[in-house]
Amino acid sequence: QGQLLQSGVEVKKPGASVKVSCEASGYTFSSYGIGWVRQAPGQGLEWMGWISVYTGNTKYAQKFQDRVTITTDTSTTTAYMELRSLKFDDTAVYYCARGFSYSFDYWGQGTLVTVSS
Amino acid sequence: QSALTQPRSVSGSPGQSIIISCTGSSSDVGAYDYVSWYQQHPGKAPKVMIYDVTKRPSGVPDRFSGSRSGNTASLTISALQTEDEADYYCSSYAGRYSWVFGGGTKLTVL
Repeated sequence: QGQLLQSGVEVKKPGASVKVSCEASGYTFSSYGIGWVRQAPGQGLEWMGWISVYTGNTKYAQKFQDRVTITTDTSTTTAYMELRSLKFDDTAVYYCARGFSYSFDYWGQGTLVTVSS
Repeated sequence: QSALTQPRSVSGSPGQSIIISCTGSSSDVGAYDYVSWYQQHPGKAPKVMIYDVTKRPSGVPDRFSGSRSGNTASLTISALQTEDEADYYCSSYAGRYSWVFGGGTKLTVL
């Protein structure tokens, strides 16, 4: 049974960067892509981006295109999402999820990122 | 892309059936056989309930079913149970490794 374990709570100031990790286990990491989805407090799910672990190719939502970078480290079966130039409204729970047939089957537990001065 | 459109809330009594709609466009819902539905309980990560429009992952009760007509997908939950009370989100593949989610629907089981 696959599992994704994310890094812990982050508190950042406006303008700073945050890097969230997502460690995969229980499946062949390079055989699946990883997506990143965020959820602001009381709001819905918002797709941020995708990485093909096998090729390293990435695709980002236009809204985040200039501020987000998604990477993987296959030696540690870990995916990373870095968001730069943080704003107050980036406060959200950030999820990683395994791609399966153009859906997302395994989800991490979520990482709360709070942007506060 | 624009978010898919879902009703903000639906409700039903135990044992009844409900339908949640998800309206997109010819660029997403209507273009690909890759609509999925997620259940999210408060404070928990989403859980996939339906993928590829109609398929159910192992372990998901057959009370959950999906369908699509044109640019609108639907999730039907029959024989409602109290534990079905949650937020439900639809999602569609939108091409070139991009996805779009719906705004979410709060299901209340009365």
